[in-house]
Amino acid sequence: EPEVTQTPSHQVTQMGQEVILRCVPISNHLYFYWYRQILGQKVEFLVSFYNNEISEKSEIFDDQFSVERPDGSNFTLKIRSTKLEDSAMYFCASLTERSYEQYFGPGTRLTVT
Amino acid sequence: KQEVTQIPAALSVPEGENLVLNCSFTDSAIYNLQWFRQDPGKGLTSLLLIQSSQREQTSGRLNASLDKSSGRSTLYIAASQPGDSATYLCAVINAGGTSYGKLTFGQGTILTVHP
Repeated sequence: EPEVTQTPSHQVTQMGQEVILRCVPISNHLYFYWYRQILGQKVEFLVSFYNNEISEKSEIFDDQFSVERPDGSNFTLKIRSTKLEDSAMYFCASLTERSYEQYFGPGTRLTVT
Repeated sequence: KQEVTQIPAALSVPEGENLVLNCSFTDSAIYNLQWFRQDPGKGLTSLLLIQSSQREQTSGRLNASLDKSSGRSTLYIAASQPGDSATYLCAVINAGGTSYGKLTFGQGTILTVHP
């Protein structure tokens, strides 16, 4: 069964460093998302992406964040200068128009020290 | 702004019990509602999707109902097993707007089924 994959599973970085989180959505899906979950808190929407552009972003998704679909299969989230409060689990998801069901990847745990 | 609330926050039951998890949402103009399971430190596994025009969906021992007008959904788990222990999340997609598919999540119900 097709699945969303994410790499790395765990990333440790120092404050102020840039990180890129990678995702490979399900191949025939057209809508892509990033969410994050700070430990013990709700899963929060960050950004949605369709037709090679951002369709919506949350207040969290400020100028430090960017997304890209560089090669038609990968979908990346870049954090330009990480802060301690960026430590969280980051989930990528993609959606099928057939059923409008959203499928999630296993997540990347980002730890900023 | 859509708000999703889940009750109870945690539930501990003996194996074999039937149980109900509750989800409520403040804006009834939703496109669909999705129930997920999350194991500790892991990703989200989709359990059931209910379209706004549907009243319920079933998958094995799971049954989810939707009352859109009152802003409520329930997840019924029959004959619970220790392997059902996980956090169960409810999430909705709002109808309309410029986004396609943005999910708003509840905080989850932590379920423990003990042998």
